[in-house]
Amino acid sequence: GAVVSQHPSWVICKSGTSVKIECRSLDFQATTMFWYRQFPKQSLMLMATSNEGSKATYEQGVEKDKFLINHASLTLSTLTVTSAHPEDSSFYICSARDVAGGDYEQYFGPGTRLTVT
Amino acid sequence: GQNIDQPTEMTATEGAIVQINCTYQTSGFNGLFWYQQHAGEAPTFLSYNVLDGLEEKGRFSSFLSRSKGYSYLLLKELQMKDSASYLCAVRDSNYQLIWGAGTKLIIKP
Repeated sequence: GAVVSQHPSWVICKSGTSVKIECRSLDFQATTMFWYRQFPKQSLMLMATSNEGSKATYEQGVEKDKFLINHASLTLSTLTVTSAHPEDSSFYICSARDVAGGDYEQYFGPGTRLTVT
Repeated sequence: GQNIDQPTEMTATEGAIVQINCTYQTSGFNGLFWYQQHAGEAPTFLSYNVLDGLEEKGRFSSFLSRSKGYSYLLLKELQMKDSASYLCAVRDSNYQLIWGAGTKLIIKP
């Protein structure tokens, strides 16, 4: 149980275009989902925390107008990278908190590798 | 500021035991996590400590000392598949996860 999926697993897009990444909790309800970014050989960087039905809370330095997060249901959150640029190329990972599993259960999706050309 | 320190890289031999240390200084403490991350993949949860002491789970054990701001992950009977990065993360007073940079563990036959 407690599986989180992401789609797509990888995407290549041209500079200036927008890309949407989906994060789904497959077998549990996730009131809270987290979006991370990870550059090569670096640690995870939390971008934002999204709660179902409310606006996401962004970390300092993360542009909310560039990284649009929607958490419309208990099983789906989306991250849209708008007007992507090469410096946005990174590994984007979501995680979801399992409400029924206790407050410390947090499961990660497999990640989405974004390459902007 | 908030800080989590762990060694950048460690090397161990297949079948041996290795201990990965983590020290932290955070604004409050609401638990410490260890994750395993293989190259190009997302992290997977290994352990969670909120009280002092040792938590054992199969070949992996995790220890916490809150007074010392210290934890370690102990891996026994090392296998080649244990080659990965091991991430230490602390949940602070705002329930945010603060991540260490990770320790790359290289297992040699």
